[in-house]
Formats: sequence, C-alpha cells, structure tokens
Amino acid sequence: NAGVTQTPKFQVLKTGQSMTLQCAQDMNHNSMYWYRQDPGMGLRLIYYSASEGTTDKGEVPNGYNVSRLNKREFSLRLESAAPSQTSVYFCASTSTYEQYFGPGTRLTVT
Amino acid sequence: GEDVEQSLFLSVREGDSSVINCTYTDSSSTYLYWYKQEPGAGLQLLTYIFSNMDMKQDQRLTVLLNKKDKHLSLRIADTQTGDSAIYFCAASLNGNQFYFGTGTSLTVIP
Repeated sequence: NAGVTQTPKFQVLKTGQSMTLQCAQDMNHNSMYWYRQDPGMGLRLIYYSASEGTTDKGEVPNGYNVSRLNKREFSLRLESAAPSQTSVYFCASTSTYEQYFGPGTRLTVT
Repeated sequence: GEDVEQSLFLSVREGDSSVINCTYTDSSSTYLYWYKQEPGAGLQLLTYIFSNMDMKQDQRLTVLLNKKDKHLSLRIADTQTGDSAIYFCAASLNGNQFYFGTGTSLTVIP
C-alpha cells in the first residue's frame, strides 16, 4: 500500500496563477482532509470530505475549492494564488479514528 | 472549537527521558493523539488514547491522560537522536474532525 500520496511535492506560482493539488489514498478510507501548515500555527483544516460526494469547509477555506472525485481522490484548487497561500499543504485520510497523512506539497506564491 | 496547546521547544540529552505536554479545552474529546513530524515529511501517527483510559504504553512511549485537568503527556524513554522531530498533540470529538496543537520541537543532544 502506498498510503496517502500527493502531487506535486514542490510548486512555485506567481500571484494570480491557478493550480490543483492532487491527493489519493489506497486504504479505502471514507474521510479525506486538506490542511495547511504554517510556522508556529500547527495544522489548520481547509476542507474535508466525510464521504464520496460530500465536502465541508474547515477553519480556513477562503481562496480554496475542493473536489472529491471518487473515494480515492480529493483535490484542492487555488483559483487565484496569493502570497498568503504560501504554505505546506497536507492531505490526510481517516480510518474510523486514525488519521494518516501524505508527505506534503510545499507551495510558494511570489 | 477545540483549542490544543503545547510548549514550543524541548531539549534533552541522549539517554534521558523526554516528556512533552499538551492541554486541550473540550472535555468531550474522545480521542487524543500524538504525531511525529520529521523534517520535510508528513505527520506520522505515533500513538493515541481513548478518553476513558488513563495511560497507554507502547514500547518506549507512554501516554498519560488527566481528563479532569484536560492534560495529555507523551513520555519517551531512553531518548535517541532519531527522536529529534516535531511532536503534535491532537484531539478529536468523534474521530472525524481533528484539532492540532502548534507542535513541540524536540532536540536530542548527543
């Protein structure tokens, strides 16, 4: 099992550009999550999906959209990137009550 | 929502025990977790405890829960240089939404 995979690992965007971060899990988990990690702020939830076909806002959803394409895949889209979105983005999935994380995408917006 | 707090830094000598502390605010939190993050990597689930338990031991790791004070601790026995990492405490009410602390950076001095 690969667990939770994320692409790309690194990305540099200019302000105003758009991009989609991809996440996939092969553990047959129902719930998937997107977090951002900023220095001194821990992890903050952007969006989550409790099951295929449903998505809900987390603590910091502004500037982001998500798609739960199927049970395996959960993507995060930045429509018009801003420097404030420079961060490390983590995807996670949950089995019952255990949460597993991907390796992260390091995004820089200039 | 839940607030989870941790001290930012801890430094110990190799071979000593490390104790990382965490407090949370929502007494209804049912699941409490410890994650480890090494540089450039995602979060790795180390261990967790249910709110109806006081203690859980797993090899060198001991988790203590004081539910009355809403205090969680992680003790690492015989700390090694490979234990140097950031440790995150997390709480969950229902195993679906997770609240993370800001992380404690553990430095192990050889």
